[in-house]
Amino acid sequence: GAGVSQSPSNKVTEKGKDVELRCDPISGHTALYWYRQSLGQGLEFLIYFQGNSAPDKSGLPSDRFSAERTGGSVSTLTIQRTQQEDSAVYLCASTTDSNYGYTFGSGTRLTVV
Amino acid sequence: SQQGEEDPQALSIQEGENATMNCSYKTSINNLQWYRQNSGRGLVHLILIRSNEREKHSGRLRVTLDTSKKSSSLLITASRAADTASYFCATDVRGSARQLTFGSGTQLTVLP
Repeated sequence: GAGVSQSPSNKVTEKGKDVELRCDPISGHTALYWYRQSLGQGLEFLIYFQGNSAPDKSGLPSDRFSAERTGGSVSTLTIQRTQQEDSAVYLCASTTDSNYGYTFGSGTRLTVV
Repeated sequence: SQQGEEDPQALSIQEGENATMNCSYKTSINNLQWYRQNSGRGLVHLILIRSNEREKHSGRLRVTLDTSKKSSSLLITASRAADTASYFCATDVRGSARQLTFGSGTQLTVLP
């Protein structure tokens, strides 16, 4: 597609449930990033995929968070046993090279009740 | 702590005035980027300045970079109500895994 697509745009879930967030990057972009943004805050790095290399998972806040990228394209961020502090906007971005900036999706607003 | 810190946290100006936002960072960088965010959703890339550049222009935007002071500024000239948004600086840190580190942003309000 023309841009980075994220789904769903909004997700309300009960505490303790698992959620899956999807990101479809721009075709041909080898690098894909997940960030989390709490209300009124900056972006918190979660995970980075580059081509076929092992992902940089250094930003994942706990072992309840995991992500995969299949076939070097679509990525899924999974949060298990969601907690209220997981409520945030989850942003995905892709790029060919960070020297050219990232293209962001519109994000998934996750609310854990 | 954040690699990039914007200053001020919030700025309110009249339409037609210039808006200046500052960003400070801590470690050596490959480049510094500015992004804009409307309504807490996706960010839009505005401009990138490399570590060997001192000033860059794009339309009404002017970015400066002072690597000796580890700081950057974003100037928006002749502001418009449509410029109202949050503005973030992001640093591509030298030696990192090439992931950007974002500051906490400046909320700009342009009053008509």
